[in-house]
Amino acid sequence: SAVISQKPSRDICQRGTSLTIQCQVDSQVTMMFWYRQQPGQSLTLIATANQGSEATYESGFVIDKFPISRPNLTFSTLTVSNMSPEDSSIYLCSVGRSSGTIPDTQYFGPGTRLTVL
Amino acid sequence: AQTVTQSQPEMSVQEAETVTLSCTYDTSESDYYLFWYKQPPSRQMILVIRQEAYKQQNATENRFSVNFQKAAKSFSLKISDSQLGDAAMYFCALMEYGNKLVFGAGTILRVKS
Repeated sequence: SAVISQKPSRDICQRGTSLTIQCQVDSQVTMMFWYRQQPGQSLTLIATANQGSEATYESGFVIDKFPISRPNLTFSTLTVSNMSPEDSSIYLCSVGRSSGTIPDTQYFGPGTRLTVL
Repeated sequence: AQTVTQSQPEMSVQEAETVTLSCTYDTSESDYYLFWYKQPPSRQMILVIRQEAYKQQNATENRFSVNFQKAAKSFSLKISDSQLGDAAMYFCALMEYGNKLVFGAGTILRVKS
């Protein structure tokens, strides 16, 4: 598995502001992902954070709203920009681990609970 | 496109009894992985059990086991000797080779003492 930490664990923000969430892993990983979990809902992938290149976004998510950085193999950030109450969710990072060369399992960080007023 | 369906929004089980959570999925790939994750109120996503599609043998982890029916695209989770600490939201998830996770809607499991 992997030890994954996220900061902050929770925050309450005003609409129109931005929040940057950090994800730190205790070992180098090839693949890191960011998910959103809206209240009472399942998890939806926002993007895959690629080290050294631009993130790969899923349909419905755009870089201007959710810019992602991946400066090295142990760290990534997700920014939620120009927030509205609809952005109130839990944001989770995950890392891919493998028993071979291709990631075949994902482990999750503890999540960041964001409330936008 | 991958889809995962959990048809049971909520289940209840008596402590020490056995419960089965259902999951069906759809994928066009022959190589993929299936997972059950547990999310207690703390919101931490905890990996419960993992199944490789190319393995016919059902995965087991202590009190947790799966019934994997590849032809039927069914992947149920059986929890034996249920404990109060098993109460949580359970998500079934599908991952195609090296790719993203697609989650079902989740099943809330309540454990009665």
